[in-house]
Amino acid sequence: DAKTTQPNSMESNEEEPVHLPCNHSTISGTDYIHWYRQLPSQGPEYVIHGLTSNVNNRMASLAIAEDRKSSTLILHRATLRDAAVYYCILRFFGNEKLTFGTGTRLTIIP
Amino acid sequence: GAVVSQHPSRVICKSGTSVKIECRSLDFQATTMFWYRQFPKQSLMLMATSNEGSKATYEQGVEKDKFLINHASLTLSTLTVTSAHPEDSSFYICSARLGQINSPLHFGNGTRLTVT
Repeated sequence: DAKTTQPNSMESNEEEPVHLPCNHSTISGTDYIHWYRQLPSQGPEYVIHGLTSNVNNRMASLAIAEDRKSSTLILHRATLRDAAVYYCILRFFGNEKLTFGTGTRLTIIP
Repeated sequence: GAVVSQHPSRVICKSGTSVKIECRSLDFQATTMFWYRQFPKQSLMLMATSNEGSKATYEQGVEKDKFLINHASLTLSTLTVTSAHPEDSSFYICSARLGQINSPLHFGNGTRLTVT
């Protein structure tokens, strides 16, 4: 799978929106962009995924650049429970595996 | 929603003993499950892919004789760490896929193994 680059850490204030960036300049046409998060001492949790168009669900929004070389996970109103490590993962169509990178550790400031 | 249950959540064992970790899909059938390992302050590393009714596929560098995986039913996969040593102390996490091959994975809450 192609590689992704994320900032090691970010901070955000509670109740404000959070924009988590991910660069994936070597993405291929069949790579889906997946986001998972891992709360402390828990297994990862699926957040959202997309291919070309922006996606919204109850947890977050995913904004994908037109050239698909970057994407942004948007948490519309951060809460303390959103403090976690967020992983941006490329997964090509037909690949059942997920390969995790180092992710972004998000800290929410009360 | 899809729930994956792991048991036990924590286990402490003596060096040289074996430990079995169970991973169950509670409300769906999973033909494929995955086992990951995570050392402190590191990311998850895929150890093996477990397929129901067939042998597991191990990632490069993972000893298949040390980490025995059995996927005897569509809702249960087990990982047995044989002859555990302190360096095997880690956070072991299983996951399962609900639906087609491109579906998101659902993860268990992990098992913290400490080998003394």
